[in-house]
Amino acid sequence: DAGVTQSPTHLIKTRGQQVTLRCSPKSGHDTVSWYQQALGQGPQFIFQYYEEEERQRGNFPDRFSGHQFPNYSSELNVNALLLGDSALYLCASSLAHLSEKLFFGSGTQLSVL
Amino acid sequence: GENVEQHPSTLSVQEGDSAVIKCTYSDSASNYFPWYKQELGKRPQLIIDIRSNVGEKKDQRIAVTLNKTAKHFSLHITETQPEDSAVYFCAASRTGTASKLTFGTGTRLQVTL
Repeated sequence: DAGVTQSPTHLIKTRGQQVTLRCSPKSGHDTVSWYQQALGQGPQFIFQYYEEEERQRGNFPDRFSGHQFPNYSSELNVNALLLGDSALYLCASSLAHLSEKLFFGSGTQLSVL
Repeated sequence: GENVEQHPSTLSVQEGDSAVIKCTYSDSASNYFPWYKQELGKRPQLIIDIRSNVGEKKDQRIAVTLNKTAKHFSLHITETQPEDSAVYFCAASRTGTASKLTFGTGTRLQVTL
């Protein structure tokens, strides 16, 4: 049974660039949430996708956008990268958007230079 | 919005001793409280969770207690082992908020021989 998979594992970008991160949920899960984890901090909720729509959003600017595909996989896009966007981006999946039990992927480490 | 505070930020115990990590939350409507363990370079993993209609929950060496009146919950690890060394995060959410977890800042637990 495959868990949550994310790609790439590491990414280096420069300020102003755009980045796309990808996530495949755990088998049988239909909901994907994205979190940003800065060094030494707890994860912060970015947004959640269910039935290909953004259902809930945290306190992140519009530069952060996402998408969910019919196979439940998801992408996180960040435009106009800032140095402060450097962080570990975690994808979490769950079964149904009202389920709190999240299963996390190993994350994508994004470095913005 | 919800705010979760976690203490201590670091905790060192000897193998076999007990460890206690405490969290407070601000949103009285929060009713789901999970704890995640994150080893260095790995994904956060759910170790135990509790809902607001329960005051205590145990799973082998791990227990969580909840005081809704004080808006306070704690993680207790007994008979600690070196493999318990990791960063532990508490979190809180409201049922129905689509898995929007608010995390604490983490506690780095070091179990020494």
